[in-house]
Amino acid sequence: AQTVTQSQPEMSVQEAETVTLSCTYDTSENNYYLFWYKQPPSRQMILVIRQEAYKQQNATENRFSVNFQKAAKSFSLKISDSQLGDTAMYFCAFTPNTPLVFGKGTRLSVIA
Amino acid sequence: DTGVSQDPRHKITKRGQNVTFRCDPISEHNRLYWYRQTLGQGPEFLTYFQNEAQLEKSRLLSDRFSAERPKGSFSTLEIQRTEQGDSAMYLCASSPSGSWSTDTQYFGPGTRLTVL
Repeated sequence: AQTVTQSQPEMSVQEAETVTLSCTYDTSENNYYLFWYKQPPSRQMILVIRQEAYKQQNATENRFSVNFQKAAKSFSLKISDSQLGDTAMYFCAFTPNTPLVFGKGTRLSVIA
Repeated sequence: DTGVSQDPRHKITKRGQNVTFRCDPISEHNRLYWYRQTLGQGPEFLTYFQNEAQLEKSRLLSDRFSAERPKGSFSTLEIQRTEQGDSAMYLCASSPSGSWSTDTQYFGPGTRLTVL
């Protein structure tokens, strides 16, 4: 079965601090893409960052970076210099042999 | 680029009624996806279209659900004989041509369905 596990249902971080959200997944596929999506309160889901499984180099997008460990099937998201606007649900997802399989999400609260 | 739009944003219906939702994708995107998101869960894939062809359907899509995408433009998702378990947020997403495995999907705001 293709599954995504986000073990932290809720997290909080002080403004300007760094936080890491964890994600593990299970698949027998060798080639896939991994994504982190952000869903702010009452707003639509937007892409934060994506990673190609065959690339060893970790993806970065400004304050957002990932730690991708393919052998461990781990794909964590690090947010640096957290801002109040980062408050949202964060979903880890990947595309094994079907369009996007999502985890249950981590609710991140950034505290001033 | 006006983004993916969905209509209505909220729908309250009584059990047993039929409902229909509409999704308008980003204009140049030929792939369109439907997901269902229940409270406390991540979105779950329902079905997707490439142009007007419905290429994959999840086991979640019972025979009470039907989706269409006439002429490869907007899409509709109809639920017949609604049940309380159908209460959820229904999300639509679109992506440009290419592979569904590599494309970034752009999501709409969703339609929240409440079945009384």
